Amino acid sequence: NAGVTQTPKFRILKIGQSMTLQCTQDMNHNYMYWYRQDPGMGLKLIYYSVGAGITDKGEVPNGYNVSRSTTEDFPLRLELAAPSQTSVYFCASTKGSTDTQYFGPGTRLTVL
Amino acid sequence: GEDVEQSLFLSVREGDSSVINCTYTDSSSTYLYWYKQEPGAGLQLLTYIFSNMDMKQDQRLTVLLNKKDKHLSLRIADTQTGDSAIYFCAESMGSSYKLIFGSGTRLLVRP
Repeated sequence: NAGVTQTPKFRILKIGQSMTLQCTQDMNHNYMYWYRQDPGMGLKLIYYSVGAGITDKGEVPNGYNVSRSTTEDFPLRLELAAPSQTSVYFCASTKGSTDTQYFGPGTRLTVL
Repeated sequence: GEDVEQSLFLSVREGDSSVINCTYTDSSSTYLYWYKQEPGAGLQLLTYIFSNMDMKQDQRLTVLLNKKDKHLSLRIADTQTGDSAIYFCAESMGSSYKLIFGSGTRLLVRP
């Protein structure tokens, strides 16, 4: 199993541009999450999904959108990038219950 | 509300024990976790404890949970330079298994 994979690893955007951060897991996990980590801070939950077709907002959803058309994929969309969205983005998945969340390697995004 | 707090920094000498502390506010948390993050890397699960346990030991790691005070600690015995990293505690919330993270404790191990 590759686990949780994320692309791209790095990206620089201009203010107002849009992009999609990709996240895929091959563990057949129902639950998937997007977090952002600002410098010197912990992770904040952006959006999460408890299964294909079901998504919900986390702590900091403004400026982002998600979709979950398949169990494997959970893309995160930034429509109008702002400097405040400069951060490292982590995707995670779990099968739930007592299982831990498995994290991807992260996408480092800079908005200039 | 949901809040997890940790001290920001800890420095220890190689071979000593390290104790990293965490407080949380939601008494309904089911699981509490410790994650390790090395520079430029993702998060690696170190250990977790179920909320009805007081202690869990896993090799050099000991987790203590005081539910009354909502206090969680991670003790690393015989700390090595490779243990230098940021350590996050997190609590699991509800049926969606969302994680609420502390801001992390940076552990520096001096030779």
